[in-house]
Amino acid sequence: GENVEQHPSTLSVQEGDSAVIKCTYSDSASNYFPWYKQELGKRPQLIIDIRSNVGEKKDQRIAVTLNKTAKHFSLHITETQPEDSAVYFCAASNPQAGTALIFGKGTTLSVSS
Amino acid sequence: GAGVSQTPSNKVTEKGKYVELRCDPISGHTALYWYRQSLGQGPEFLIYFQGTGAADDSGLPNDRFFAVRPEGSVSTLKIQRTERGDSAVYLCASSLTRTGTNTGELFFGEGSRLTVL
Repeated sequence: GENVEQHPSTLSVQEGDSAVIKCTYSDSASNYFPWYKQELGKRPQLIIDIRSNVGEKKDQRIAVTLNKTAKHFSLHITETQPEDSAVYFCAASNPQAGTALIFGKGTTLSVSS
Repeated sequence: GAGVSQTPSNKVTEKGKYVELRCDPISGHTALYWYRQSLGQGPEFLIYFQGTGAADDSGLPNDRFFAVRPEGSVSTLKIQRTERGDSAVYLCASSLTRTGTNTGELFFGEGSRLTVL
């Protein structure tokens, strides 16, 4: 089955700096790679996703890159703000094949002002 | 309702007791997932339903855990002979399947926090 590794486990940045979180996956059949943000005591919420037919996707201050050959993908947050502080999870699956979304262990991002 | 609804939000029970956790998915979502999240960890996959049938139950840790979705909507996760190690937040999520294709995006409920004393 799929295995997703995520690092770093914690990341502290100053407001305005960039933050990068990296993930690797094991199943070459996976083709859907979302990122979820979870604030303390709240549910995980999708912030951006990428499918295997593209290498990069951007949405305002957030971007995700995918390297299918190396089986890794990354989340990039630019101009970080205190409200970006949360736990971020990467995940991988093949929805068309009916495989469940498998999550990494999470990265706790702290943005200090 | 508009989102995934889970009840109870909190459940405290004693070791050895039986527990049921309920999930009401977003209307029209045919795929339903159960995850378990321990403190400081990512959601751990338990089971996934497509309609009424369990499409993948490979994440259930042992035979004390069982889940049903008899009418293809509401699902119940059942835990027998609870152990202290079962303490966690149990998250339910649903996903839209359109003409047999699952878009992949999961919509999570707020979770049921289970504490086994």
